[in-house]
Amino acid sequence: DSGVTQTPKHLITATGQRVTLRCSPRSGDLSVYWYQQSLDQGLQFLIQYYNGEERAKGNILERFSAQQFPDLHSELNLSSLELGDSALYFCASSQGAGATDTQYFGPGTRLTVL
Amino acid sequence: DAKTTQPNSMESNEEEPVHLPCNHSTISGTDYIHWYRQLPSQGPEYVIHGLTSNVNNRMASLAIAEDRKSSTLILHRATLRDAAVYYCILRDRRTSGSRLTFGEGTQLTVNP
Repeated sequence: DSGVTQTPKHLITATGQRVTLRCSPRSGDLSVYWYQQSLDQGLQFLIQYYNGEERAKGNILERFSAQQFPDLHSELNLSSLELGDSALYFCASSQGAGATDTQYFGPGTRLTVL
Repeated sequence: DAKTTQPNSMESNEEEPVHLPCNHSTISGTDYIHWYRQLPSQGPEYVIHGLTSNVNNRMASLAIAEDRKSSTLILHRATLRDAAVYYCILRDRRTSGSRLTFGEGTQLTVNP
């Protein structure tokens, strides 16, 4: 158990809909990262927040947005969903935001768009 | 970003050592070498990292070539639980924001 929790575990929805994925980082960790894992693209970094502020952005679509709240939990919002958005979404957390900070991953949310 | 190259797959027997290679010929002096692994149906987990010197921890050892253009992750006695995809990742300490850039990794199969 990494100490990172993600809800829900599974999500099935239809094209065009909007969903919210939630992540609670390990106690004391200030950084939260979101990654997407699909069969054709592998594991891809989406976005990072550090202590409530956006720190880095990766291959995140404009239809996707995220935020980190004062209690440090984070939400990833996916809207106008397409079939291709079906994937595993992982959240990770780390104490700081440096190149030696270990990232601890949650169990993931499996999103299926029908 | 400097790239890494790993074999697609490797196989080993239980209780034998495993050496997982990684080439990173364009590594810069500020890149740390990290290894993560992903067990089936789980999120990735940290294994080990280093900069220039060899490193040991309870999970594995990391051997870094003198010119830093390659490294090897060593599992001293493979168990069935070590079957996973192993990712070798470079992280630049100059970069603000510390994303992990995953390649395809090496799928390790451990035979009983």
